[in-house]
Amino acid sequence: QKEVEQNSGPLSVPEGAIASLNCTYSDRGSQSFFWYRQYSGKSPELIMFIYSNGDKEDGRFTAQLNKASQYVSLLIRDSQPSDSATYLCAVSNNDMRFGAGTRLTVKP
Amino acid sequence: DAGVIQSPRHEVTEMGQEVTLRCKPISGHDYLFWYRQTMMRGLELLIYFNNNVPIDDSGMPEDRFSAKMPNASFSTLKIQPSEPRDSAVYFCASSLEGGGGTDTQYFGPGTRLTVL
Repeated sequence: QKEVEQNSGPLSVPEGAIASLNCTYSDRGSQSFFWYRQYSGKSPELIMFIYSNGDKEDGRFTAQLNKASQYVSLLIRDSQPSDSATYLCAVSNNDMRFGAGTRLTVKP
Repeated sequence: DAGVIQSPRHEVTEMGQEVTLRCKPISGHDYLFWYRQTMMRGLELLIYFNNNVPIDDSGMPEDRFSAKMPNASFSTLKIQPSEPRDSAVYFCASSLEGGGGTDTQYFGPGTRLTVL
């Protein structure tokens, strides 16, 4: 079992729709959870982090964490073509483990 | 701040040659990470340092790989001898803190390595 699992996609949504990205992890001791966005040919950049169960909102982005289910998700509201990228889930317990990423395409 | 700086940005070499990748972390960051990214395996943590000391090198694939951090502003990742399967993008990242707390990692632009 991989430590951090994501659906590889690709996930395709129309412009203006909600994109839902999911991630599960195996280490119950994990304390910090991150979503990174990576455009093709570029380096990962942080979108959001979350530490506590529940939702955390930042603009069009909402991160959701459920430690009991070992599940973290990212919702992107009003998706834009510029959101088209690979989204990496990362989980930290003294060191960072990344998922393989989900490729998102937002079609105009 | 200029962010994390990596050099070279691209490296093409022949099998058997030594390759050295360089990284300058963000000033004041205590943690430095080396990652490798391929289509097949995604983003893999190779090694990380805290205050210039290697903490976890369990991700280093084999003895051909070595990493050093002689001071707070410089780190190298060396592959000797290189093999075609080492072809990947190598990222360096730094963070203010490590586990727990706020440990956002800031990535450099990466070095695209091609071993022929």
